[in-house]
Amino acid sequence: EVQLVESGGGLVQPGGSLKLSCAASGFTFSTSAMHWVRQASGKGLEWVGHIRTKANNYATAYLASVKGRFTISRDDSKNTAYLQMNSLKTEDTAVYYCTGHNDGYWGQGTLVTVSS
Amino acid sequence: QSALTQPASVSGSPGQSITISCTGTSSDVGGYNYVSWYQQHPGKAPNLIIYDVTNRPSGVSNRFSGSKSGNTASLTISGLQAEDEADYYCSSYTGSSLRVFGGGTKLTVL
Repeated sequence: EVQLVESGGGLVQPGGSLKLSCAASGFTFSTSAMHWVRQASGKGLEWVGHIRTKANNYATAYLASVKGRFTISRDDSKNTAYLQMNSLKTEDTAVYYCTGHNDGYWGQGTLVTVSS
Repeated sequence: QSALTQPASVSGSPGQSITISCTGTSSDVGGYNYVSWYQQHPGKAPNLIIYDVTNRPSGVSNRFSGSKSGNTASLTISGLQAEDEADYYCSSYTGSSLRVFGGGTKLTVL
């Protein structure tokens, strides 16, 4: 059974940092680009960024508004992708989903709340 | 990266067909055959229903179909069923490895 399990969400103050994890199982993680997508409460989906595979040099790409603040990484030995979020802003408050296998697989999401 | 344009809401009766449009530009929808569609029920994660404009993942009903003309992609749901009531989102590759989503469409089955 395919599973993507996000963790690491929580409440953080503006300007703070948080690192999300996405643990994968049930498919060949190392050959799948991994994406992060977020959704503010009552709002639509917003692509945050992705990391490609080793064969594609672990290339990353980011939404303009998070570039320079967010970093996506992966550890293929642990079948886990990460989203390091720094300099967080209130507008980053959302449920964060990780996706894999060309968006065929989604996690259940983890809530990040940026508030003082 | 401006969001793709979708109607806020559409509705239809059981058994009918409905179409949801997704309008972008020549830099995204019109420039690549990498449009995907997602279905999201309240409180749930999105589910991929169409990828690469017209392809259905394994297990997705053939009542769902996708197409594209110029800068506008479309999702058609035929034989509407009560369980199709959900939010639907399109997304497109935009070049430079970036992606953009549409604002979402709420489908109501009357």
